[in-house]
Amino acid sequence: NAGVMQNPRHLVRRRGQEARLRCSPMKGHSHVYWYRQLPEEGLKFMVYLQKENIIDESGMPKERFSAEFPKEGPSILRIQQVVRGDSAAYFCASSPTIQGVGGNTIYFGEGSWLTVV
Amino acid sequence: GENVEQHPSTLSVQEGDSAVIKCTYSDSASNYFPWYKQELGKRPQLIIDIRSNVGEKKDQRIAVTLNKTAKHFSLHITETQPEDSAVYYCAATSYGNQFYFGTGTSLTVIP
Repeated sequence: NAGVMQNPRHLVRRRGQEARLRCSPMKGHSHVYWYRQLPEEGLKFMVYLQKENIIDESGMPKERFSAEFPKEGPSILRIQQVVRGDSAAYFCASSPTIQGVGGNTIYFGEGSWLTVV
Repeated sequence: GENVEQHPSTLSVQEGDSAVIKCTYSDSASNYFPWYKQELGKRPQLIIDIRSNVGEKKDQRIAVTLNKTAKHFSLHITETQPEDSAVYYCAATSYGNQFYFGTGTSLTVIP
């Protein structure tokens, strides 16, 4: 059973370009979370999605950032017009269902490291 | 929403000693409290968790305690080893909600 898969693992973008980060949840998991980790800092919640629905996006910056989890395919975190401050590790996590039902937790992918030059 | 505070931010212990990391939460509805270990450059990995209907849970050298009345929970690592050196995160959540993480504790075990 493969774990949470993220790609690319490393991405370099110039200022003003777009970054697309992909996350395939564990098999059987229908809920996805995105977290951002700035250098030397902790995990900051961004967005919580289930297929075709955003459950909680309270951590998403108002501009340039968007996320989706379509019926088919991976979840995508999209950052438009990247700036140097977007340089960070972006972690995706997944869970089988809404947390609390059946006592499920979340499992993290290996992360995508974005560098903006 | 929930607010999770974690202390200390850094902790150094001698190999073989115990390490304790404490977290408090604000939302009495929170009912699940996992702990994650993150090594440098790697993903956070679940090491132990506890639910609100349990006061203590132990797994070999790692234990977690929960005080629902005081809204705090703690991670205890006994007989620490150099490979325990990492950043540890506590988290709290409740049904249907996101996971709220603490700010992390950087643990260094000195050989």
